Amino acid sequence: EPEVTQTPSHQVTQMGQEVILHCVPISNHLYFYWYRQILGQKVEFLVSFYNNEISEKSEIFDDQFSVERPDGSNFTLKIRSTKLEDSAMYFCASSATSGRIRETQYFGPGTRLLVL
Amino acid sequence: AQKVTQAQTEISVVEKEDVTLDCVYETRDTTYYLFWYKQPPSGELVFLIRRNSFDEQNEISGRYSWNFQKSTSSFNFTITASQVVDSAVYFCALSRTNAGKSTFGDGTTLTVKP
Repeated sequence: EPEVTQTPSHQVTQMGQEVILHCVPISNHLYFYWYRQILGQKVEFLVSFYNNEISEKSEIFDDQFSVERPDGSNFTLKIRSTKLEDSAMYFCASSATSGRIRETQYFGPGTRLLVL
Repeated sequence: AQKVTQAQTEISVVEKEDVTLDCVYETRDTTYYLFWYKQPPSGELVFLIRRNSFDEQNEISGRYSWNFQKSTSSFNFTITASQVVDSAVYFCALSRTNAGKSTFGDGTTLTVKP
């Protein structure tokens, strides 16, 4: 069964450093998403991406965050200057599209980011 | 604005008991989707079910069943004859058809004791 993959599974970084989280969505999917989950809390939407541009973003997704689809398979989330409060599990998700109806979002296994 | 409320923070049952996880949602959209996800201790999110707002038919999948009541804006999840492997955090989520953003509830931590 096709699945969303994410690398790395764990990332430790120093405050102020840039990090890039990588995702490979399911190959025929056209919508891509990033969510985050701070330890012990609920999953929060960050951003959705379609047709090489951001469709929607939350208030969490400020200027420190950016997303990119550098080639036909990868979807990345960059945090320019990490803060302690960026420590969380980051989930990538993708969905297909059928006309204007979006199919179920399939989630990757997550990248656990720890900012020291 | 959309909102999902999972009033039960933690539930503990003994194996083979039935357990129902509650989910109440708020939305102004006439078309929307509801989801349940399981998050085991390993941390990944496992999709369990999607239900659209036009389909109020209840669904059963093995030991899992879902009760969608549009009149009360609820989408409850029942596990029959619970097992230790069902121990996880369960999230209810809501999304708009044409936006893709999913709003999650706070989650219910289910512990099934042997």
